[in-house]
Amino acid sequence: AQSVTQLGSHVSVSEGALVLLRCNYSSSVPPYLFWYVQYPNQGLQLLLKYTSAATLVKGINGFEAEFKKSETSFHLTKPSAHMSDAAEYFCAVSDVGPDQAGTALIFGKGTTLSVSS
Amino acid sequence: KAGVTQTPRYLIKTRGQQVTLSCSPISGHRSVSWYQQTPGQGLQFLFEYFSETQRNKGNFPGRFSGRQFSNSRSEMNVSTLELGDSALYLCASSLEKRRETQYFGPGTRLLVL
Repeated sequence: AQSVTQLGSHVSVSEGALVLLRCNYSSSVPPYLFWYVQYPNQGLQLLLKYTSAATLVKGINGFEAEFKKSETSFHLTKPSAHMSDAAEYFCAVSDVGPDQAGTALIFGKGTTLSVSS
Repeated sequence: KAGVTQTPRYLIKTRGQQVTLSCSPISGHRSVSWYQQTPGQGLQFLFEYFSETQRNKGNFPGRFSGRQFSNSRSEMNVSTLELGDSALYLCASSLEKRRETQYFGPGTRLLVL
């Protein structure tokens, strides 16, 4: 079965500092991996996704993530944090194998990012 | 394109009642999935519908059910509500391909008293 572990339920950075949010996955099939962001009282917004095309994935708002198979990791980074990045971030893995139809996501517990001025 | 819409946005019910939530997917999307988000359990997959048929199912009791209509709109029903059903219920839509990106609506916040 697929699973996702996000290390650190809360990360605090200063504005302009590097953002690093950690995600490790477990998957019995080649994984499809996603990062979503959730702002208060809103749904989830897709930041980026990995589908085996390239190990370094660039997303919206300056975020990127690197897929490392040997480390089973898919950490999210942003070189310079902005106040507007404060939100909850979720890493997810597709729970549907490459030969199955449909889509179902297994989410990590989430990491709350705080940005101080 | 308009995004995924969910109605109602907020709902208060009492234990033992039933509730129906509605979701309209992005135009052209034929797959609709439902997720439950709680502080304790996080985000959990409920089920996915495609072409009016349930295609994938999470690990929830039979009190949770859904359906999809021919226009891809979906409803989710919870019968005999329990306090623990209080949650944000998120709907997501996607294209019909395998492991396609899901686009989420704003959610329906359900409070069970």
